[in-house]
Amino acid sequence: QKEVEQDPGPLSVPEGAIVSLNCTYSNSAFQYFMWYRQYSRKGPELLMYTYSSGNKEDGRFTAQVDKSSKYISLFIRDSQPSDSATYLCAMSGGSNFGNEKLTFGTGTRLTIIP
Amino acid sequence: EAQVTQNPRYLITVTGKKLTVTCSQNMNHEYMSWYRQDPGLGLRQIYYSMNVEVTDKGDVPEGYKVSRKEKRNFPLILESPSPNQTSLYFCASSLRENTEAFFGQGTRLTVV
Repeated sequence: QKEVEQDPGPLSVPEGAIVSLNCTYSNSAFQYFMWYRQYSRKGPELLMYTYSSGNKEDGRFTAQVDKSSKYISLFIRDSQPSDSATYLCAMSGGSNFGNEKLTFGTGTRLTIIP
Repeated sequence: EAQVTQNPRYLITVTGKKLTVTCSQNMNHEYMSWYRQDPGLGLRQIYYSMNVEVTDKGDVPEGYKVSRKEKRNFPLILESPSPNQTSLYFCASSLRENTEAFFGQGTRLTVV
């Protein structure tokens, strides 16, 4: 079993829809949770960064972490064609856990249809 | 502009011919790492470096070498490339392991 599981998609939704992307994980030591966006032929770039459980909102993007269920989500409101990309979840423990290395999900390819 | 620069972007080589992929960052980050990205397997860490002269193996280090003689540079060396090393490679840097990682543009390597 992989430490981080992510549905690879592909996922296609119409413009303006709400998108939900998810990852599950097995390592209870993970404390830091991130979402990266990767456009075709580009390197990943950080989209959202959260620590421990809870929600974080940034514009049209909301990240949720539920540590009790070992489940994280990224919501995109009012989706735009420019949101078409591959979305990678990543997570890490802290130095107290000796597990600081980032572990990535395999990525979900998202296409927003105009 | 903060950036991580990799070269070359594309490389086709033959089995056994030594090659080096360069990586340089201008953010004075201590932590740097190399990943390979393969379909269905995602990003897997090859090697990482906590600081100058400090390097360690990641999840898939076999067939690769790295060095960290200067803080800004972290080259990836394939002494004897094989076809199973055909992949998309990314260099990344960050303040610490679990903080925001800045990625380079990637190097698409094909070994024939």
